[in-house]
Amino acid sequence: GESVGLHLPTLSVQEGDNSIINCAYSNSASDYFIWYKQESGKGPQFIIDIRSNMDKRQGQRVTVLLNKTVKHLSLQIAATQPGDSAVYFCAENDPSGSARQLTFGSGTQLTVLP
Amino acid sequence: KAGVTQTPRYLIKTRGQQVTLSCSPISGHRSVSWYQQTPGQGLQFLFEYFSETQRNKGNFPGRFSGRQFSNSRSEMNVSTLELGDSALYLCASSLSGEQETQYFGPGTRLLVL
Repeated sequence: GESVGLHLPTLSVQEGDNSIINCAYSNSASDYFIWYKQESGKGPQFIIDIRSNMDKRQGQRVTVLLNKTVKHLSLQIAATQPGDSAVYFCAENDPSGSARQLTFGSGTQLTVLP
Repeated sequence: KAGVTQTPRYLIKTRGQQVTLSCSPISGHRSVSWYQQTPGQGLQFLFEYFSETQRNKGNFPGRFSGRQFSNSRSEMNVSTLELGDSALYLCASSLSGEQETQYFGPGTRLLVL
């Protein structure tokens, strides 16, 4: 079929609220997952990662949850700030294919409202 | 420690030309991966190099090629440019590429006219 532009899911939150960004990954064999943040005109910036032997990992203001049963990943951002406005991507690493190739989701546009 | 650097940052070419993009990884990183980012297709893996060897290649035509030097710096080349090659080309480095975080450069924005 005809290729169309990706329609990025969007999430708008009030400054100070918590944000939850979701991601469904495709490969049940994937064993390593990363969240990246990409601001306009910049390359993706590492936020947090998690391995498949864990179901939760916390960083500074961010928490990643992994549910392998339903192949779902989420990123929680506490006390969202204007500087958090960006596109957020999840990425998965499938070791059965190449251990060095990340497959990225389509991204979620987070907008923080004043 | 300096991050991943890419040159040039912006480039305008015409159809049929060829282009070479350069990437310098973080010091000590030996794995370099290249990605293409477009509004239509998102982030797509091009290829990955480690110790001057291409270890994996994505689903791109042979017009896309790359190489890595002994100092881990990498270049990618696109020959016979097409309008659809207009994109942000991102380079990412990691220590060895094995289940590790990849750190991205700012990208090279290529516009093909």
